[in-house]
Amino acid sequence: QKEVEQNSGPLSVPEGAIASLNCTYSDRVSQSFFWYRQYSGKSPELIMSIYSNGDKEDGRFTAQLNKASQYVSLLIRDSQPSDSATYLCAVTNDYKLSFGAGTTVTVRA
Amino acid sequence: GAGVSQTPSNKVTEKGKYVELRCDPISGHTALYWYRQSLGQGPEFLIYFQGTGAADDSGLPNDRFFAVRPEGSVSTLKIQRTERGDSAVYLCASAGDRNTEAFFGQGTRLTVV
Repeated sequence: QKEVEQNSGPLSVPEGAIASLNCTYSDRVSQSFFWYRQYSGKSPELIMSIYSNGDKEDGRFTAQLNKASQYVSLLIRDSQPSDSATYLCAVTNDYKLSFGAGTTVTVRA
Repeated sequence: GAGVSQTPSNKVTEKGKYVELRCDPISGHTALYWYRQSLGQGPEFLIYFQGTGAADDSGLPNDRFFAVRPEGSVSTLKIQRTERGDSAVYLCASAGDRNTEAFFGQGTRLTVV
């Protein structure tokens, strides 16, 4: 079982719609959770961090964490063409930062 | 500097040669990570430093790979006897401490021909 698993994608959404990305993790004692955005040919860019159960909103992005279900998600509201990228879920246990394979999102105009 | 800096941006080397990849973390960050990313995959953990010591090198694929961080700041990833399978983007990230937000450099694209 992989440490971090994400929807395989690709995910195509119309401009203005909500993009929903899901991530599950295997280590129950994981402590910190992050979403990174990676444009083609670029390095990952941190967009959200979440440490406790519930929702965290930052602009058009909302991260949701449910530790009991070992599940973390990212919602992108009012999707824009500039949101087209691969989104990486990352999880830490003490120090080790483990990544999922990523979900590629395409926002079509 | 303001962000994590990696040099070189691109490196083409012949099979069997030795290469060094450099990472200059955000000033004051004690945690430093090296990852390797192949096309279509997420970053694969290689090694983690907390200060000067390699706290976890379990992701290094074999003994051709080695990394140092002698003064707790700049780190160098060293690859001996390179193989074509080593071709990938090598990413460095630093964080203020363990379990905190990690920020990536722009990566080094290594191509072994």
